Order: sequence, then structure tokens, then C-alpha cells
Amino acid sequence: GIQVEQSPPDLILQEGANSTLRCNFSDSVNNLQWFHQNPWGQLINLFYIPSGTKQNGRLSATTVATERYSLLYISSSQTTDSGVYFCAVGGSNYKLTFGKGTLLTVNP
Amino acid sequence: NAGVTQTPKFQVLKTGQSMTLQCAQDMNHEYMSWYRQDPGMGLRLIHYSVGAGITDQGEVPNGYNVSRSTTEDFPLRLLSAAPSQTSVYFCASSRPGWGGAFFGQGTRLTVV
Repeated sequence: GIQVEQSPPDLILQEGANSTLRCNFSDSVNNLQWFHQNPWGQLINLFYIPSGTKQNGRLSATTVATERYSLLYISSSQTTDSGVYFCAVGGSNYKLTFGKGTLLTVNP
Repeated sequence: NAGVTQTPKFQVLKTGQSMTLQCAQDMNHEYMSWYRQDPGMGLRLIHYSVGAGITDQGEVPNGYNVSRSTTEDFPLRLLSAAPSQTSVYFCASSRPGWGGAFFGQGTRLTVV
């Protein structure tokens, strides 16, 4: 099956710093999503981005499908950005393969 | 519009007991899936359905049954719970093509 690798596994930032999270995948995909799992365990949709670039406030994402990677940018980080960020990919919406996530801690 | 609703949110079972985790969606999505999340890992697919009456196995199906009699509901059954099934379970729904999957709030299950 498809392999998904996320880096870095852990990241500690001071509030206000910027960061880039990376997701590499081993095969071509039709679906790629970024999720934020907050400290209460909720999975929050950030981006549906099988290709191209999207921005939503302080967050943006870019997927280069031909090179099999996606990047999530967080600018001016806040303590509420803390949590685990997951990349999930697949050939279809109903059959996603998740990476192991990046644990982000933003300190005040 | 509630999205994807899972019940219960928390459950403790004894080994050998059975139970059903409920999942309902009100977005008229054709696709529904069940995942489990274990500590330090991403989510892994248990079972999925591409429409009413159609189900199939995912990566980790052993010990779980599903059925899909309506578009809205996709229950997950544990016939004889085992400690290895202690996990957080997430249900998701989606539609064909564009848009991605939407997840419920999860059910935290402990089997003792």
C-alpha cells in the first residue's frame, strides 16, 4: 500500500514563529488532506489539496503531486495551534492512509 | 447541519462483551469509513462503505463487523471485545470526487 511519511515528528516553537511541515507519499494520489488534531482529540479539516496551493488565514498548503509531497505552512504561530498535524492521502475519499503526524507545541 | 455524529463518546467494556458504535451523517454522503487511532500512530482504516448495502474491509478489519442499510448510518460492531481493541474510533463520510472526508468527534473505547 501507499506509504506516508511526515516530518518533523516533533516541533517546538515560540509564539509568533513560522513553521513548515512536510508530507511525502510513495504513489500518485487523487486525494490529500491536512488535519489538525486538537488536544481534545478532535480532527479538524484544514485543507483538501490533492494539487496546487491554498491559503486560509495564517495557514497555507502546497501539494506538488508530480513530486509526491505536500507542505503545510503555519505563520505567526499561536498557542492554539498546538496539537498533532496529520497528512492523509489516497486514491479515494473513503480509503485514506494517514501519516504518523507532527506534534506541534507552541509556547507562549 | 450536524455533520458526522458518533455515539457514545466514551465506553468501557469488559473482555468478551459486545457493543455497537454508532455513526450518522446528515450530508447525504455516499461514502462512509471507520478508522481507529492508537497512541503515537495515525488513523488506520477498519471498514468502509461506498453506498447503502455495500461494505468492504480496510487495513485492520479483524474483530469488527459493519453494515450499511441506509445512506445516513454506518454502525461498527464489536462482537467479542478484546483489550487490543482499546483505541479511539473515528467515523468519516465523504462524497465522490472533490471535497475530502469529514470526521466525527471520535469514540474512546477501553476494553478491560
